[in-house]
Amino acid sequence: DAGVTQSPTHLIKTRGQHVTLRCSPISGHKSVSWYQQVLGQGPQFIFQYYEKEERGRGNFPDRFSARQFPNYSSELNVNALLLGDSALYLCASSLAAGSYEQYFGPGTRLTVT
Amino acid sequence: GEDVEQSLFLSVREGDSSVINCTYTDSSSTYLYWYKQEPGAGLQLLTYIFSNMDMKQDQRLTVLLNKKDKHLSLRIADTQTGDSAIYFCAEINRDSNYQLIWGAGTKLIIKP
Repeated sequence: DAGVTQSPTHLIKTRGQHVTLRCSPISGHKSVSWYQQVLGQGPQFIFQYYEKEERGRGNFPDRFSARQFPNYSSELNVNALLLGDSALYLCASSLAAGSYEQYFGPGTRLTVT
Repeated sequence: GEDVEQSLFLSVREGDSSVINCTYTDSSSTYLYWYKQEPGAGLQLLTYIFSNMDMKQDQRLTVLLNKKDKHLSLRIADTQTGDSAIYFCAEINRDSNYQLIWGAGTKLIIKP
């Protein structure tokens, strides 16, 4: 069985641009969470989605948005990129919204110049 | 709010045991986790412990939980070069809507 997959692996954008990151959960998992990991820090929670509905939102500005599709894959969108958005964006997959086991993908490394 | 703290570095000799410590502030923590992150990679779930347990052992890994002191530790027996990584402590609880709250990570350095 494939694990959590994310695309792209790396991305370079300039300030003010928009970016879309993609995640496919483990087969059978219906919940996806997004985390931002700045270099040298632990991950910070951005969003959780379950059955296409937002179940949780972290302390991030409205420039960050996400959605989940009927096949449970998910997209994270960031508008008006800032230098401070440079980070590793991690997607985690779990069976359901209240599941205690979350499995992470390899992440997308976003660099904003 | 919730807070999880870890030492930033730990250096051990190959073959020795490594003990990575973590403290947390949230008394309603339900599960506590250890994740491993190798350079350039995502996060690998190593093990987790339910808050009503004191200890959990899985091969070379032993997790100890002192709920009174809000202290969690991960012991890696017979540390190998492949154990070099950053180890993150994280906790989850119903009040945080099952969001993982993370420490900053402990970098484990293996000396030959």
